[in-house]
Amino acid sequence: QKEVEQNSGPLSVPEGAIASLNCTYSDRGSQSFFWYRQYSGKSPELIMSIYSNGDKEDGRFTAQLNKASQYVSLLIRDSQPSDSATYLCAVRGGKLIFGQGTELSVKP
Amino acid sequence: DTEVTQTPKHLVMGMTNKKSLKCEQHMGHRAMYWYKQKAKKPPELMFVYSYEKLSINESVPSRFSPECPNSSLLNLHLHALQPEDSALYLCASSQDWAGVSTGELFFGEGSRLTVL
Repeated sequence: QKEVEQNSGPLSVPEGAIASLNCTYSDRGSQSFFWYRQYSGKSPELIMSIYSNGDKEDGRFTAQLNKASQYVSLLIRDSQPSDSATYLCAVRGGKLIFGQGTELSVKP
Repeated sequence: DTEVTQTPKHLVMGMTNKKSLKCEQHMGHRAMYWYKQKAKKPPELMFVYSYEKLSINESVPSRFSPECPNSSLLNLHLHALQPEDSALYLCASSQDWAGVSTGELFFGEGSRLTVL
């Protein structure tokens, strides 16, 4: 079992829809959870951090954390073609572990 | 403005060459990292300098050699590389409390390395 798992995609959604990206992790002692966005050929960019159970909203982005289920998700509302990128989930316990990333494609 | 600056952006080198990648951060962070990223894979940690103390990923071959002249600068010296070392090399920095990274990494634009 991988330490941080994501569906590789591609996940394709129409413009204006909600994109839902999911991530599970194996280390119950994990304390901090992050979503990075990476455009093709570019470097990763931190877009969300979440540290406690529940939802955290930032503009069109909502991160959701459920430590009991070892699950973290990212919702993107009103998806735009400019949201098309690979989204990397990262989890910090003793060290920072990246998932494999989910490729998101938003179709006009 | 890019607060983590990497040079060069592109580098092509032969297997017998010696070259260096450079990174500078202007964020006042005390931890700096080198990551290697292959296509369609997540970044893979190579080295961490935290408060100028080095931590190494034991799987990284010795042909990669990091150097941290001060808390704002990080170099990666390359020698006798192999074609499979071709990748995007990412420098990152983070705030670091008590020797533990927050996990909030700020990446530079990367240096794309091709080894012929």
